[in-house]
Amino acid sequence: GENVEQHPSTLSVQEGDSAVIKCTYSDSASNYFPWYKQELGKRPQLIIDIRSNVGEKKDQRIAVTLNKTAKHFSLHITETQPEDSAVYFCAASNQAGTALIFGKGTTLSVSS
Amino acid sequence: SAVISQKPSRDICQRGTSLTIQCQVDSQVTMMFWYRQQPGQSLTLIATANQGSEATYESGFVIDKFPISRPNLTFSTLTVSNMSPEDSSIYLCSVESSGNTIYFGEGSWLTVV
Repeated sequence: GENVEQHPSTLSVQEGDSAVIKCTYSDSASNYFPWYKQELGKRPQLIIDIRSNVGEKKDQRIAVTLNKTAKHFSLHITETQPEDSAVYFCAASNQAGTALIFGKGTTLSVSS
Repeated sequence: SAVISQKPSRDICQRGTSLTIQCQVDSQVTMMFWYRQQPGQSLTLIATANQGSEATYESGFVIDKFPISRPNLTFSTLTVSNMSPEDSSIYLCSVESSGNTIYFGEGSWLTVV
């Protein structure tokens, strides 16, 4: 089945710096790659997603890139702010097409 | 996006008891999913709940421990049976909506004592 690896597990940046989180997946049939942000005590919230027919997608300070050949995708956050501090999860759709397999998460800390 | 309501939002349960979590969606959806998030961990898929057929369980999860019902296209329940402290987790219902986008309910925070 699908396996998703996520790195790094923790990431500390200064306010205004960029942050990059990387994920790799194993199933070449996966075609949907969302990113979720989870703040303490809250549910995961979808922040951006990308599908296999697109190589890059951007939404304000957040962007995601996908390399299907290498089977990896990355989250880029520019001009980080303290409110970006949270746990970020990448995920990939499994063979059934819609259920998600998650990476282990990255704890991002943005200090001011 | 779909609006997903889960009950209960939080509960403290006694060891050995069972608890049923309800998930209600504001629109009809084909597939509903149940995830578990243990403290400090990632989300793990428990099962896919299909209307009109038995749920499909992932490796490591069995129907006797986590029975699931899916009586219609807007509702599902997950029961955590014979609970132990290791079952203390967040249980999350999710659905596919708006063209393959997956949304989560608020989650049910369970603590087993």
